[in-house]
Amino acid sequence: DAGVTQSPTHLIKTRGQHVTLRCSPISGHKSVSWYQQVLGQGPQFIFQYYEKEERGRGNFPDRFSARQFPNYSSELNVNALLLGDSALYLCASSGRRDVAYEQYFGPGTRLTVT
Amino acid sequence: TQLLEQSPQFLSIQEGENLTVYCNSSSVFSSLQWYRQEPGEGPVLLVTVVTGGEVKKLKRLTFQFGDARKDSSLHITAAQPGDTGLYLCAGRLSGTYKYIFGTGTRLKVLA
Repeated sequence: DAGVTQSPTHLIKTRGQHVTLRCSPISGHKSVSWYQQVLGQGPQFIFQYYEKEERGRGNFPDRFSARQFPNYSSELNVNALLLGDSALYLCASSGRRDVAYEQYFGPGTRLTVT
Repeated sequence: TQLLEQSPQFLSIQEGENLTVYCNSSSVFSSLQWYRQEPGEGPVLLVTVVTGGEVKKLKRLTFQFGDARKDSSLHITAAQPGDTGLYLCAGRLSGTYKYIFGTGTRLKVLA
């Protein structure tokens, strides 16, 4: 079975532009979370979606938005890019709703803003 | 602000040595996960602990969840060069589906 997939793998954008990152969860998983990982740090929570509804949001500006589609895939959008948005963007999917709620990560999208 | 402090940040040891990585917080977690991450890749789930005081073993790796579910440790016995990588702990905040991650421990095992 395929794991979590993300596209594109790498992306270079200019300050002020906008970007869309895509994620497909593990088959059967209904929840997708997005994280930002800056070099040398642990991932920071951005959003979580479950069955197309936003279930959680981290401390990120309104320039960051996301949505989940009926097939449970998800998009993360970032507007008015800043140099500080350069990071590895990770998507995680989960299929369990019990207390364990294990998350499985994709390979990430490396975004560079110049 | 919820924080998850991980220590040490860096560790360089010889093959065959033992080591322990710690993850501490003032927050209570419903569950806690340990991941290993290679450069430029996504974190790979190693284990999930749920019950206070729980101990799980995965070959040479032993994971423990604190009794109060605020801290955890990862112990590696007889480390090998293949254990080299970034180890991350992530705690799921009680009553939420939100995870907070530690800053990571970068381990290097020298042959």
